[in-house]
Amino acid sequence: SQKIEQNSEALNIQEGKTATLTCNYTNYSPAYLQWYRQDPGRGPVFLLLIRENEKEKRKERLKVTFDTTLKQSLFHITASQPADSATYLCALEPWGGGYNKLIFGAGTRLAVHP
Amino acid sequence: DAGVIQSPRHEVTEMGQEVTLRCKPISGHNSLFWYRQTMMRGLELLIYFNNNVPIDDSGMPEDRFSAKMPNASFSTLKIQPSEPRDSAVYFCASTWETGGYEQYFGPGTRLTVT
Repeated sequence: SQKIEQNSEALNIQEGKTATLTCNYTNYSPAYLQWYRQDPGRGPVFLLLIRENEKEKRKERLKVTFDTTLKQSLFHITASQPADSATYLCALEPWGGGYNKLIFGAGTRLAVHP
Repeated sequence: DAGVIQSPRHEVTEMGQEVTLRCKPISGHNSLFWYRQTMMRGLELLIYFNNNVPIDDSGMPEDRFSAKMPNASFSTLKIQPSEPRDSAVYFCASTWETGGYEQYFGPGTRLTVT
């Protein structure tokens, strides 16, 4: 069956450390993958997009990797801060048709402790 | 830019009543999406429009759900009759037509059906 899996349990880390979140998928061939941040009571906010021909993309303290062989994306936050505490969702457009139809993972809740 | 606007922000209604949720996408965006988010099922795509035309409504759970987009700046999601299991947060999102672009989410409507 087709599915997207993210760490189901919350990730607790110490301020200043690097947080690494995982997104695995099966039976999809996405042309790109996106990461969103969601705070309680708010809508998801786009963070990064990585295409199938890109291995890695960076934006400030954020880094995303995309391995189409492993069918996995890793999302890193370096020098983490308490303000980074939120739920992070990965999303992909499953069939590469360019229709913008995104399938979302369940999300991983990140808690950064001072 | 005001972002995606949704109304109402909260809706409490009794089972059997009709519920109408409203969305105003970002000006210039020509793709619009309705999502539903619950703890059990995460963020699910219900329907999406391209240039005001419904492209894929395969996520609409039942005939009780209907959506319209009469013009580029307004969309509605209607539930008639509503049931307790429809209780969720409903998000509207918009983006440009071409695939690969991030989606901009509204603040959501929290629906409670008693």
